[in-house]
Amino acid sequence: AQKVTQAQTEISVVEKEDVTLDCVYETRDTTYYLFWYKQPPSGELVFLIRRNSFDEQNEISGRYSWNFQKSTSSFNFTITASQVVDSAVYFCALSEPSQGAQKLVFGQGTRLTINP
Amino acid sequence: ETGVTQTPRHLVMGMTNKKSLKCEQHLGHNAMYWYKQSAKKPLELMFVYNFKEQTENNSVPSRFSPECPNSSHLFLHLHTLQPEDSALYLCASSQDGGQGGRPQHFGDGTRLSIL
Repeated sequence: AQKVTQAQTEISVVEKEDVTLDCVYETRDTTYYLFWYKQPPSGELVFLIRRNSFDEQNEISGRYSWNFQKSTSSFNFTITASQVVDSAVYFCALSEPSQGAQKLVFGQGTRLTINP
Repeated sequence: ETGVTQTPRHLVMGMTNKKSLKCEQHLGHNAMYWYKQSAKKPLELMFVYNFKEQTENNSVPSRFSPECPNSSHLFLHLHTLQPEDSALYLCASSQDGGQGGRPQHFGDGTRLSIL
């Protein structure tokens, strides 16, 4: 069965610090997709990034960067120079192959608090 | 403005009440989903619809009854719920061609409290 583990339940840092959110996944599929979502206090999950299993290139988008390593089944997310607006719950997710619509398996989430 | 709209945002109901949650997506997607988010639990997939047909029921109790009249609308009918059903219910949609990988777009959720 597919599984996503986010071992860090809560992280609290001071503004401008760098912070890395860990994500480890388990799957027997050779083709799969990994996602990160952000959930601010309003409740909506906001899509941040998607990565397919054949693309191990790291990605950078502004202050956000992602490190995908198949050898360790990890897909970690780093925020550089954190800001108060980054405070949210962050979810890592793995897509499960399915006929028709895909199914996402989510990790437990990491609550990130950025203190001014 | 979100492409996925959920109403109501908050709902308080007794265990004997009947109510419905509504979700509408304005993104032209073909797949829609219901998730349950409880405190201290990961997001749980409840139902999946693709082109109006239910493709997944994740062992959800029958007191939750989904309805998908078309690809843009999804309902969750609630009847004789239990206190443990109090949670945030999230709706999502995606454009899927059977190959997966497309991100799901979420609504703001309905915060449900069962008295």
